[in-house]
Amino acid sequence: EVQLVESGGGLVQPGRSLRLSCAGSGFIFAASPMSWLRQAPGRGLEWVGYIRSKSYGGTTQYAASVKGRFTISRDDSKSIAYLQLNTLKTEDTAVYYCARGLGVLRYWGQGALVTISS
Amino acid sequence: DIQMTQSPSSLSASIGDRVAITCQASQDIKNDLNWYQQKPGEAPKLLIYDTSNLETGVPSRFSGSGSGTHFTFIIRSLQPEDIATYYCQQYGDLPRTFGQGTKVEI
Repeated sequence: EVQLVESGGGLVQPGRSLRLSCAGSGFIFAASPMSWLRQAPGRGLEWVGYIRSKSYGGTTQYAASVKGRFTISRDDSKSIAYLQLNTLKTEDTAVYYCARGLGVLRYWGQGALVTISS
Repeated sequence: DIQMTQSPSSLSASIGDRVAITCQASQDIKNDLNWYQQKPGEAPKLLIYDTSNLETGVPSRFSGSGSGTHFTFIIRSLQPEDIATYYCQQYGDLPRTFGQGTKVEI
């Protein structure tokens, strides 16, 4: 059974940093591209970015709203994808989801709540 | 960026009704469109991929159609468990973008 479990969410002050983790199991993690998405309270879904598998160069792409502040990485030895969030703003408050895939997002984690507030 | 205009933003229907949701893309995305269902407090769930392909395990009352810029999602006979918000999502180009969502109520 495919499982994705996010962790690392919490309350953070504006301007600070946070790192989210997404642990995958039940599939060949190293061969899987991984995406991050978010959903602000009461709002719709927003794509954050993705990372390709190492066999496709491990390249990343980001939404304009987070480019230069957020970084996606992966540790295939641990089957974990990361989302490093820097220079956080109040508008980054959201539930952050990881998902397997680049376009068709068939499997999602349960989400991690990130709250940015002073 | 490709804008996805989804309508209606909400609808109220009765059990057994046919429900239709449309999604219009600001440019041609061929068939690179998915539909997701999201219930409160839960992650989105893939229902339809590549415009019209039913995800494994999803009831056949759900269907999708369209191509290019105009897409339609249908619930053939609304059931109580279908109360949720539905989103379209394009993956024809970066950034991936979603419709604003349609909240289906009874």
